[in-house]
Order: sequence, then C-alpha cells, then structure tokens
Amino acid sequence: EPEVTQTPSHQVTQMGQEVILRCVPISNHLYFYWYRQILGQKVEFLVSFYNNEISEKSEIFDDQFSVERPDGSNFTLKIRSTKLEDSAMYFCASSGDTQYFGPGTRLTVL
Amino acid sequence: QQPVQSPQAVILREGEDAVINCSSSKALYSVHWYRQKHGEAPVFLMILLKGGEQKGHEKISASFNEKKQQSSLYLTASQLSYSGTYFCGTGEKIQGAQKLVFGQGTRLTINP
Repeated sequence: EPEVTQTPSHQVTQMGQEVILRCVPISNHLYFYWYRQILGQKVEFLVSFYNNEISEKSEIFDDQFSVERPDGSNFTLKIRSTKLEDSAMYFCASSGDTQYFGPGTRLTVL
Repeated sequence: QQPVQSPQAVILREGEDAVINCSSSKALYSVHWYRQKHGEAPVFLMILLKGGEQKGHEKISASFNEKKQQSSLYLTASQLSYSGTYFCGTGEKIQGAQKLVFGQGTRLTINP
C-alpha cells in the first residue's frame, strides 16, 4: 500500500539554525500539507500546497517558514531560523479526498 | 475555530462499545476521523462528506449531522488495538486542498 514517507525521523538543531524537513507524498496525490503537533497537544495545520503554489496557510506559518516541491517527488518544509517554540512533531500529508499522514519528524530546538 | 470533542477520555473493557462526538460551530463539508497511538502518526479511519457519503472500516462507523454540524464515531465490540487518541478533523471546502482543523482529541483506553 502506498504511503507518505518523511526524513529525518528526528532532527536536533540549535536555536537560530535552518532546518529542512523532507517528505515524499503518495505518488498520485495532488494536494500536499504540513501539520505540526506539540507534545501532548492537538494536530495543527500549517500549510497546504497544490500545483506548485501555497493554497492556504495558518498564522503559525510566518515568514520563517517556506515550502517547496523541488522535483516531481519531494515536498519540503524549511524553517529559516528556528526558535525554541518550533520544537514539535511535524507531519506531512497528501491527499486526493482522504489525507494520509507520514510518520513525522520530531524536531527539537535547543 | 476548532471542533469540540467529547468525552475527553474514555476507559472501557475489551468488548464494550464507545461513542466519540465531534461538534463544530461552523458549517462543514467533511469530517475526517483519525486514531493516533503514542509517538505515531495519525491513521485515517473514516471520512464523512456532506450529502451522506461515508467511507470507513468494519466495526467502526460514524454519522454526520450536517444541520447540527456534528459527527459521532462508533466503535463496537472494542479490541485492545483500539486504544489511542481519536481526533476529528473538519473540512470546510467542497473541493481542492482541504485544510483540516482538528479537535483536541479523545483518549480511549481499552483494558482486558
């Protein structure tokens, strides 16, 4: 069964550093998403992406965040200058009508 | 505005039934149910679309009351593997990329 994959599974970084989280969506899906989940809390929407453009973004997705689909398979989330409060689990998802989530990247900012 | 789930937590014995509710103050096009086990990604269970279409699993069913903007997830004859946190995610668009707004979750514990 096709699935969304994400790398790395864990990322530890120093405050102020840039990180890139990578995702490979399900191959025939057209819509891509990033969500985050702070430990013990609900899943929060960050951004949706379609046809090489951002469709919608949340208030969390400020100028420090960007997304890109650099080739036909990868979908990336970049955080330019990480803050302590960026520590969370980041999930990529892709969809037709049903959104399937990847296993997540645990980001720890020290 | 996020949907409100109830109850916040449920403890059952194996074989018992559970109902989890999800209520929104906004008009909805779709409701998506997920189960998340500790340290893992949310796993898709069920999608309910305005107009009555429903997809899901055996022994897990759901309803969607469009007028009341509510959905309920029914788990029958619960198994140990049903333990986890259940989230409803609500969608407001008819088509296109669907931002899901998740409730705070319902923690379900199944004991032998």
